This record gives sequence, C-alpha cells and structure tokens, in this order.
Amino acid sequence: EVQLVESGGGLVKPGGSLRLSCAASGFTFSSYSMNWVRQAPGKGLEWVSTISSSSIYIYYADSVKGRFTISRDNAKNSLYLQMNSLRAEDTAVYYCARGWEEMNYWGQGTLVTVSS
Amino acid sequence: SSELTQDPAVSVALGQTVRITCQGDSLRSYYASWYQQKPGQAPVLVIYDKKNRPSGIPDRFSGSSSGNAASLTITGAQAEDEADYYCHSRDSSGNLLFGGGTKLTVL
Repeated sequence: EVQLVESGGGLVKPGGSLRLSCAASGFTFSSYSMNWVRQAPGKGLEWVSTISSSSIYIYYADSVKGRFTISRDNAKNSLYLQMNSLRAEDTAVYYCARGWEEMNYWGQGTLVTVSS
Repeated sequence: SSELTQDPAVSVALGQTVRITCQGDSLRSYYASWYQQKPGQAPVLVIYDKKNRPSGIPDRFSGSSSGNAASLTITGAQAEDEADYYCHSRDSSGNLLFGGGTKLTVL
C-alpha cells in the first residue's frame, strides 16, 4: 500500500525557518517525481515545488522561489522542503504528492502556521 | 503567467449530469488532471491524461478537452460526489498549475 506521511509542521514566527519531511513507503520511491502542494485555510490548492526522481529537475512556484528548497533522499525514501524567510501568507497545510503531471497519491498533510 | 480558470460553484440535482470546466492556454498543449477533495481530506485523483480514470474511481466520472478547455463530467451525480474539484496541468516551463477549484453541491 502506498503511504506518504508528512511531518515537521508547526507554529513559526515570520522570518523563521521550518523543514518539512515526507516519508514514503509501499512503492519504489526513487522511480517517481515528487511534489509539495499547499492549501491555505479555506483556499484552493497551490503547487509549491517538484523534484524529479533523481533530483536532476527541480521547479518552484514564483511565490516560494529563493526561499524554499526541495530535496530528496532516495536511500531513505524521503522528501523534504526547507522553508526559510517564512511569511504569514505561507500559512497552509502542506501536502506531499507522488507524480508530476498527475499526482496519484497524496499524504494527509502537515499544517504550517506563520504568526507572531 | 499561465493560469487555469474554473467556475467557483456548480450545483446538480441528485442523479443528473454535471459538467465542471477549466480554461487556460496551457490546456492547448498539455493534458488536464482532475482532483476531488472533500472537507478535511487530501485530494484524490479522479481523472488523468485528460480522460483516464485511476482504478477505484467510478465510471460516472469522465474527462474531455477541446482547445483551451478541459471538462470533468459526472453522469448520474451521487450525494457522495459533493466536494471541491480542481483541475491541474503544467506550463511549458515545467511549472505545475491548479485551477481555483469548483465547489459541487448535489441537491
């Protein structure tokens, strides 16, 4: 069974940093592109970042470029999102999702709240 | 920048057919996928590559596209289909796009 479990969310002050993790199981992690997608409270889905299976290709939404860094460790079946210079508008549930042009598995999400 | 546009809300009578649309220039070049999201839950893929259904998705869900628009059709809507629906595609730079979402109400 495919499982994606996010962790690392929490309350952080504006300007602070947080590192999210996504533990994958039930599939060959190293064969798939992975994504971070976020959803602000009461709002729609927003794509954040994508990393290809071997980390060769990395893409970021303009809203996070230069502040967030996506990475993965295929040996540990894990996906990461390093978030720096956090802003109030980064408050959201952050989901990791498998795939690229279609995301066929999603985690349950981890909540990041940026507030003083 | 590229974007995908959806109607904010649509309603359908129980058992009737409803079409949810998504418009954007990127859809002329790239396929759309569709996701269903119920309150408090993660999104679920219901259509990919314009018209394909993942296993476990009822065949009342179908997808199509024409020009710069993609559509998700639910034929014989059920109460459990009440949810938010998001279209998804990519642009020529490799960036991914989501539509703003359509809230479907089943009356």
